[in-house]
Amino acid sequence: GQQLNQSPQSMFIQEGEDVSMNCTSSSIFNTWLWYKQEPGEGPVLLIALYKAGELTSNGRLTAQFGITRKDSFLNISASIPSDVGIYFCAGPNTGNQFYFGTGTSLTVIP
Amino acid sequence: DTAVSQTPKYLVTQMGNDKSIKCEQNLGHDTMYWYKQDSKKFLKIMFSYNNKELIINETVPNRFSPKSPDKAHLNLHINSLELGDSAVYFCASSQYGVDTQYFGPGTRLTVL
Repeated sequence: GQQLNQSPQSMFIQEGEDVSMNCTSSSIFNTWLWYKQEPGEGPVLLIALYKAGELTSNGRLTAQFGITRKDSFLNISASIPSDVGIYFCAGPNTGNQFYFGTGTSLTVIP
Repeated sequence: DTAVSQTPKYLVTQMGNDKSIKCEQNLGHDTMYWYKQDSKKFLKIMFSYNNKELIINETVPNRFSPKSPDKAHLNLHINSLELGDSAVYFCASSQYGVDTQYFGPGTRLTVL
């Protein structure tokens, strides 16, 4: 079945470092969403992307909708301890079926 | 004010029992959802529901059934619970589509 693969699976970084993660699919997606989930909480939407090639920022976060429409990227600049959590990509494919990615777990070491 | 709330937060029960998880949203949204997050943190949509249409993920066993008494509530009823049903279940709601979803805090279900 459809799966959105995220890499890396986990990251351990020093506070202040930049972070890059990506999400790839075997099929075309109409929209790419990036969520953050903190322990004991539900996912919270960070960024939504709607067009191939689109680059959108939200504070220290920047995400891009891949030109092939089969991938997306999320960057976090100057990480801080509260960036800790699991980051998920998600979206509906062209069949309007909605999927979450496998997640990237981020740990920031002060 | 809590936008999307779920009760209970934790649910521990025996195999074979029937249980329900309640979800309420005070955002005035038209569409509500249920998701399952397994032990590997993999999130999967189970249902989406609005006043007119129930969309079921075909991989969801028919032991799971959403019940909506009104637009602000979507409860999840599970019959004949199995060990593999142990997971965190999230409710969400949106007004215009999946890209505007708000998630609840989750219900951790443990089946013994």
